[in-house]
Amino acid sequence: EAGVTQFPSHSVIEKGQTVTLRCDPISGHDNLYWYRRVMGKEIKFLLHFVKESKQDESGMPNNRFLAERTGGTYSTLKVQPAELEDSGVYFCASQGQGLTGELFFGEGSRLTVL
Amino acid sequence: AQSVAQPEDQVNVAEGNPLTVKCTYSVSGNPYLFWYVQYPNRGLQFLLKYITGDNLVKGSYGFEAEFNKSQTSFHLKKPSALVSDSALYFCAVRDRTGGFKTIFGAGTRLFVKA
Repeated sequence: EAGVTQFPSHSVIEKGQTVTLRCDPISGHDNLYWYRRVMGKEIKFLLHFVKESKQDESGMPNNRFLAERTGGTYSTLKVQPAELEDSGVYFCASQGQGLTGELFFGEGSRLTVL
Repeated sequence: AQSVAQPEDQVNVAEGNPLTVKCTYSVSGNPYLFWYVQYPNRGLQFLLKYITGDNLVKGSYGFEAEFNKSQTSFHLKKPSALVSDSALYFCAVRDRTGGFKTIFGAGTRLFVKA
């Protein structure tokens, strides 16, 4: 089965521009997560979808970040306008049903804001 | 607040020697505990998890981890390290009563020398 895919793998933009990251989870996985890792630091939780609904968005940094999950399938994370501190690697992960299940990660989207 | 600490930024070990990567956590309830590994330019891969039962859990690639409730630790171990084990290792916790949110540590880089 196909794994979690993320696009783009790397994006370089200037401060003030907009970037949209996309994640396609494993088919049938209701739970979808976004995480961000800044160099050398922890992988920080951003938000959690159950199907198309936002279950927990407590980790979203501010209102410049907007996440959507259309029809409970793929998800997008838009940053508008981007700031320097938004640079990092954005990971998407999906999980099947059940609280004990492990996460399946994509390869990440590296965002560099200049 | 939930947190995960990986006290060592890097662990160096000679091939064939045992390895330990340390992890301690702080959660309000009884946690589910996970270890993930990240190879260069790849997403995180699940290694093993503790849900309940035996405190020693075995996972992929010969790794195991020991849950110690009194010390709130979940150290990753392997009896005999391989050069191919060199990678970035992340410890993660999920509070049983806190929903699906998984918290990650900052990661420990394992370097195995031939």
